[in-house]
Amino acid sequence: DAGVIQSPRHEVTEMGQEVTLRCKPISGHDYLFWYRQTMMRGLELLIYFNNNVPIDDSGMPEDRFSAKMPNASFSTLKIQPSEPRDSAVYFCASSYHSQETQYFGPGTRLLVL
Amino acid sequence: SQKIEQNSEALNIQEGKTATLTCNYTNYSPAYLQWYRQDPGRGPVFLLLIRENEKEKRKERLKVTFDTTLKQSLFHITASQPADSATYLCALAADTGRRALTFGSGTRLQVQP
Repeated sequence: DAGVIQSPRHEVTEMGQEVTLRCKPISGHDYLFWYRQTMMRGLELLIYFNNNVPIDDSGMPEDRFSAKMPNASFSTLKIQPSEPRDSAVYFCASSYHSQETQYFGPGTRLLVL
Repeated sequence: SQKIEQNSEALNIQEGKTATLTCNYTNYSPAYLQWYRQDPGRGPVFLLLIRENEKEKRKERLKVTFDTTLKQSLFHITASQPADSATYLCALAADTGRRALTFGSGTRLQVQP
């Protein structure tokens, strides 16, 4: 298996622009997680899905952030409009329903100027 | 408020020695605790999981203990090698029904040859 796939790997954008991050979970996994990692705040859970349904979005910072999972093999995290404080590494992870282990993707490094 | 503390200072040890990393938590009653390894520029990789009713778990050179009275987990790497150099993160789950993990800030381990 190719593991969790994220794209793009790096994104540089200007404040106010829309940013879309993409994730393909491991085939057969029914949980999908979005995390954000910064030096100041560490690794924080933003939202997670089970069987494509959002279960907990309490970590989503504000209305500028939205996440969707239209099918079992694809999810997006959108920031609109982006701000410099959104600069971070965003990780997607997935897990199987019978295991608590989370498998992380390589991350998307976002820089908002 | 809920808090997870890992030693923010780097841990430097000599090759062959045992590394011991600490994870303390307050205002939590975790159902289980996980340890992950993160290398620079990569996503975290799962190492071990220990449940609230377990005292100790082992996997090859790794050992995790879990003391719910002290609210502490210790992570040991025996016969450490330079390849063990990385940041190690502990993560807590509030209950088994939910998959939301809260991560500590991580401890960087440096094993000197």
